[in-house]
Amino acid sequence: AQKITQTQPGMFVQEKEAVTLDCTYDTSDPSYGLFWYKQPSSGEMIFLIYQGSYDQQNATEGRYSLNFQKARKSANLVISASQLGDSAMYFCAMRERYTGNQFYFGTGTSLTVIP
Amino acid sequence: DSGVTQTPKHLITATGQRVTLRCSPRSGDLSVYWYQQSLDQGLQFLIQYYNGEERAKGNILERFSAQQFPDLHSELNLSSLELGDSALYFCASSGDTPTGELFFGEGSRLTVL
Repeated sequence: AQKITQTQPGMFVQEKEAVTLDCTYDTSDPSYGLFWYKQPSSGEMIFLIYQGSYDQQNATEGRYSLNFQKARKSANLVISASQLGDSAMYFCAMRERYTGNQFYFGTGTSLTVIP
Repeated sequence: DSGVTQTPKHLITATGQRVTLRCSPRSGDLSVYWYQQSLDQGLQFLIQYYNGEERAKGNILERFSAQQFPDLHSELNLSSLELGDSALYFCASSGDTPTGELFFGEGSRLTVL
């Protein structure tokens, strides 16, 4: 089974609107971390936000928030007030202790912000 | 700046050749990971080293090999190169806890002609 599933290959959002990028994960480890990375067309991988499995509150970093629903094993990224510079590939990732703190990445979602 | 240094940034070579990609992890990080990203594809995990020892292996071809040296820098060796090996190769490093993020280098873009 896939450890990380991103079901949206491509998404479009109007500038200044909010957008949610979906991510579900699969683990039986009680101790894990969830991450989102952004990859613009220039290629670099930029860390956006982190959520720990024991965190009670959803993580937020500026315009980014992570909608963590533990029972549903989902970790959706919410980008508020989208900007043209948000157009990029977004990867969800998980790290779990059971597998020696390995990282597992989803296949990514390509986000295009429309002016 | 993630603190992870990769060289070279760009590399153009011919089929059948051999190249070496180099990575210096972030200061204090013992784990080094190598990923391959072909055009418009996701990240393919190749291999992980922890403090000089191989810890995990992903979809790494037999033509590829890697190692991590005592000073913790790592090298990825790609031999008998094929056109399909053209890709962006990332090195990343991290601490060894579930809460630590992965710090990526800028990548080495390999073009095989």
